Amino acid sequence: GEDVEQSLFLSVREGDSSVINCTYTDSSSTYLYWYKQEPGAGLQLLTYIFSNMDMKQDQRLTVLLNKKDKHLSLRIADTQTGDSAIYFCAESTGNQFYFGTGTSLTVIP
Amino acid sequence: GAVVSQHPSRVICKSGTSVKIECRSLDFQATTMFWYRQFPKQSLMLMATSNEGSKATYEQGVEKDKFLINHASLTLSTLTVTSAHPEDSSFYICSASPDVNTEAFFGQGTRLTVV
Repeated sequence: GEDVEQSLFLSVREGDSSVINCTYTDSSSTYLYWYKQEPGAGLQLLTYIFSNMDMKQDQRLTVLLNKKDKHLSLRIADTQTGDSAIYFCAESTGNQFYFGTGTSLTVIP
Repeated sequence: GAVVSQHPSRVICKSGTSVKIECRSLDFQATTMFWYRQFPKQSLMLMATSNEGSKATYEQGVEKDKFLINHASLTLSTLTVTSAHPEDSSFYICSASPDVNTEAFFGQGTRLTVV
């Protein structure tokens, strides 16, 4: 499979911005995704970006894609305690997905 | 959005027994479904691709005789963990999409504990 990497942990204070980074190797990726996983739950799609875009904003979420460097980031503005979860980036070509290791975000009140 | 339902959400079984996990697409047909496995603090790993009406395609290192996949209809795929062992304890998630150009939708996952 393709290689998708993320840092494992991130802690931020409530109200600050969180930035979760991801790097990938497959230059033929069609879509790149960010998923949220709360304890014991399945994956919730947060947002996705088509590979020919470089930015997408959706309320508190901003996705930046640097295709040249194969770098994807997710910025969460005004982070809340309810944002504490594991965040997975994933890349896909067609129906097949490759996931990063997940970043565990802890929001400190 | 489209819904993928996975059942059961949690199951505990004894070593040596078999467990069946179901993945259903509730409002669309899916010729292809995917099964993933997640170990604690690790990423999801693709186990196999389930194809309606034909044999599943397994990723390297996944035992096809241990993880039996049946994609009997366009809305249902099942994963059976045969002769389960404690090391099979994990979180199993399925995904499906209406077609290759549409995002995939994930089930809520099944937490399997083998005792």
